[in-house]
Amino acid sequence: DQQVKQNSPSLSVQEGRISILNCDYTNSMFDYFLWYKKYPAEGPTFLISISSIKDKNEDGRFTVFLNKSAKHLSLHIVPSQPGDSAVYFCAAMSGGATNKLIFGTGTLLAVQP
Amino acid sequence: DVKVTQSSRYLVKRTGEKVFLECVQDMDHENMFWYRQDPGLGLRLIYFSYDVKMKEKGDIPEGYSVSREKKERFSLILESASTNQTSMYLCASSLGGATRPQHFGDGTRLSIL
Repeated sequence: DQQVKQNSPSLSVQEGRISILNCDYTNSMFDYFLWYKKYPAEGPTFLISISSIKDKNEDGRFTVFLNKSAKHLSLHIVPSQPGDSAVYFCAAMSGGATNKLIFGTGTLLAVQP
Repeated sequence: DVKVTQSSRYLVKRTGEKVFLECVQDMDHENMFWYRQDPGLGLRLIYFSYDVKMKEKGDIPEGYSVSREKKERFSLILESASTNQTSMYLCASSLGGATRPQHFGDGTRLSIL
């Protein structure tokens, strides 16, 4: 059973516009959420995270929103750039020292020049 | 910067062979992880380790084992390789304690013929 779901396998956006990537989860014990970005032939790189005690976290062009009641989070990229084209994974953690992550299936973002 | 190094980028092995995938991190991280990435399935955790000589099963440990004799090195072993183990394998490490992002290597593309 997929505890972390990314229902959109792909997304295409024009350069300069907003990209919104969505993620849903089912386990209410998750208390920390992360977004990773992955280019082909490279490992995922950490992008941004949010704790369940917050509903928003910003880092430059990237903002993550968390709606705990809906068990939903989203990543906003504004403005989108061609270099943002990659696969984006959301991941969830239920705390503890081992930092075990549950990943979604990923969304391929294509930013068109 | 954290460096997680996987010994091979590409590997081709035959069915029934014993296969070793090596991972080394240079940041004195307590936690290390092995994932496999398959299209449409995201990243799935095979095994993780939170200390030297300690290991825990992840979500898909069948057919795999691990070894962590030194803090910086975490090995994934395919005891008798099968074609359904053809995949991209990703190693990651993180500091201990809650909410620490995992840092990934660039992956090993393993093909079992």
